[in-house]
Amino acid sequence: ETGVTQSPTHLIKTRGQQVTLRCSSQSGHNTVSWYQQALGQGPQFIFQYYREEENGRGNFPPRFSGLQFPNYSSELNVNALELDDSALYLCASREESTDTQYFGPGTRLTVL
Amino acid sequence: QQQVKQSPQSLIVQKGGISIINCAYENTAFDYFPWYQQFPGKGPALLIAIRPDVSEKKEGRFTISFNKSAKQFSLHIMDSQPGDSATYFCAASMYSGGGADGLTFGKGTHLIIQP
Repeated sequence: ETGVTQSPTHLIKTRGQQVTLRCSSQSGHNTVSWYQQALGQGPQFIFQYYREEENGRGNFPPRFSGLQFPNYSSELNVNALELDDSALYLCASREESTDTQYFGPGTRLTVL
Repeated sequence: QQQVKQSPQSLIVQKGGISIINCAYENTAFDYFPWYQQFPGKGPALLIAIRPDVSEKKEGRFTISFNKSAKQFSLHIMDSQPGDSATYFCAASMYSGGGADGLTFGKGTHLIIQP
């Protein structure tokens, strides 16, 4: 196990709604990243947080936002959901000494 | 982000054979090249990773070969076993100051090892 947990496991929302996904990473892993994995595709980088500040972002619109908390937990928020937002959302925490990212099991989001 | 191109899309190998998956990248600033293994319903798990200062890295049955001039790297799985059946992703990232940026992933290779 990677020590990275995510909740919920599955989620169904309708278009236009807002959603919050949660991640809990390992103690001492100060960097957390979020990825979107569409069916049959590789994960795509959404953004990264280091010590509670966003310090990197992929090609995703501002309606994708996040928070990182001092207790090594984090959130991904998506506003105004679109059908194309249906995907597996992965959280990854980084072990800084080895630069290794450990992924959680993901949250499967379905937008109807 | 620059694209990482992965091939083949799917691969069938007999038990005991060698599985080979290839990736090519464009961004010469990439400095870290991991391979991830993903089983259905699970998140990607790190298999092996390499930095461009070496041309090959071996861990057990898994070997990464890296060709900096060609901007290509590959994963070799020796003595492939049915338990290796999974989707494999190559990835790349930049090491920027205090840490790596987001990973850029290939589209994945669905590997099936036939008994």
